[in-house]
Amino acid sequence: AQSVTQLDSHVSVSEGTPVLLRCNYSSSYSPSLFWYVQHPNKGLQLLLKYTSAATLVKGINGFEAEFKKSETSFHLTKPSAHMSDAAEYFCVVRGGAGGTSYGKLTFGQGTILTVHP
Amino acid sequence: NAGVMQNPRHLVRRRGQEARLRCSPMKGHSHVYWYRQLPEEGLKFMVYLQKENIIDESGMPKERFSAEFPKEGPSILRIQQVVRGDSAAYFCASSSRTGGDGNTIYFGEGSWLTVV
Repeated sequence: AQSVTQLDSHVSVSEGTPVLLRCNYSSSYSPSLFWYVQHPNKGLQLLLKYTSAATLVKGINGFEAEFKKSETSFHLTKPSAHMSDAAEYFCVVRGGAGGTSYGKLTFGQGTILTVHP
Repeated sequence: NAGVMQNPRHLVRRRGQEARLRCSPMKGHSHVYWYRQLPEEGLKFMVYLQKENIIDESGMPKERFSAEFPKEGPSILRIQQVVRGDSAAYFCASSSRTGGDGNTIYFGEGSWLTVV
């Protein structure tokens, strides 16, 4: 069984300030974790992924996330927010490799990021 | 290199009609997934298919919904006798294989179904 909890439904920051979007996960397997971004009425774009390699994962558009097994967390950060970062962000965990659940992504409820000028 | 292609992007159906949503996976991908995003909710897994096989349909409603991924052509998500509660965004995703690290699932732009 696997689950994801995004701790904040809304985060508001000023342009140029750091971004922190929090995510905790639960997984029976060594997890694969992802962050996706969704702009209004658009599809999902992969920001970054963790698949048991380096625990600090760098993604697109300056985002990064750190896998902390002891805390079961995978928080998303960015040093300096840009107006174009305003969107909804989803933390995602994937089922164990090789099983029928492998393709089943479990999504968090999403965090809406607002960036103020 | 085209991504996951979904059509139609927007579909309006009257209650009781049928809705067919199509998904062409990325080139070289043989695994297709369908997810549904209801208003004010996150994305929920519906079904996982490989060519000519349903691997996991644990997220599909028991009635009116079906999915296929034929040997040739796109994957189809079919909703019969639609009701207002079926109004949602339906996302298709694909991947190249299962198992192993680094296998990324890519999403399409979604199909927005509105039932009136």
